[in-house]
Amino acid sequence: SQELEQSPQSLIVQEGKNLTINCTSSKTLYGLYWYKQKYGEGLIFLMMLQKGGEEKSHEKITAKLDEKKQQSSLHITASQPSHAGIYLCGADVNAGGTSYGKLTFGQGTILTVHP
Amino acid sequence: GAVVSQHPSRVICKSGTSVKIECRSLDFQATTMFWYRQFPKKSLMLMATSNEGSKATYEQGVEKDKFLINHASLTLSTLTVTSAHPEDSSFYICSARDPASGSLGQFFGPGTRLTVL
Repeated sequence: SQELEQSPQSLIVQEGKNLTINCTSSKTLYGLYWYKQKYGEGLIFLMMLQKGGEEKSHEKITAKLDEKKQQSSLHITASQPSHAGIYLCGADVNAGGTSYGKLTFGQGTILTVHP
Repeated sequence: GAVVSQHPSRVICKSGTSVKIECRSLDFQATTMFWYRQFPKKSLMLMATSNEGSKATYEQGVEKDKFLINHASLTLSTLTVTSAHPEDSSFYICSARDPASGSLGQFFGPGTRLTVL
């Protein structure tokens, strides 16, 4: 089965600072999802990457998938308190992204942004 | 995007009772839904795949007689925690795939927090 390692497990930054969260797999990633979660709430979809070398951005968040499709990074520029939460990477369990929503998740990264 | 709801959002029950959690796709039909469990400060763990009109598929280590899943319609899946015990206390989240939304079409419910006293 797919296993995802996220690092760091927790991160505390000052408002305005940039930060990066990594998600690494021992196997090829077919469909890599990034979600944000507030404690006790559901998951908010951020981005989904499929192709090696792919990069997507939304507002101040950029996600990349490396060429080998085994590592993804999530970068936040000029962080704000509203970025605080738990960031989770998830991957399709089956090759070709055919698991239709059956995901395995990394352990999550808890982000705290101090004003 | 599509919306997935869960009910109740939180429930407190006594040990030994059974609790039913509903997961609904509000504006699309989902032949497949997924149930996840999340412990405090931990990641989501897939429990089972809920298949409309057929038996659920459980992940290794998940007791199917403990966590009963019923997917009676294309918009509703239920998870029943039978004879709940304090160790079943957790955050339960469902997800559903909207085929019309392509590869991005997986949507999560807001979760249900179960506390067993």
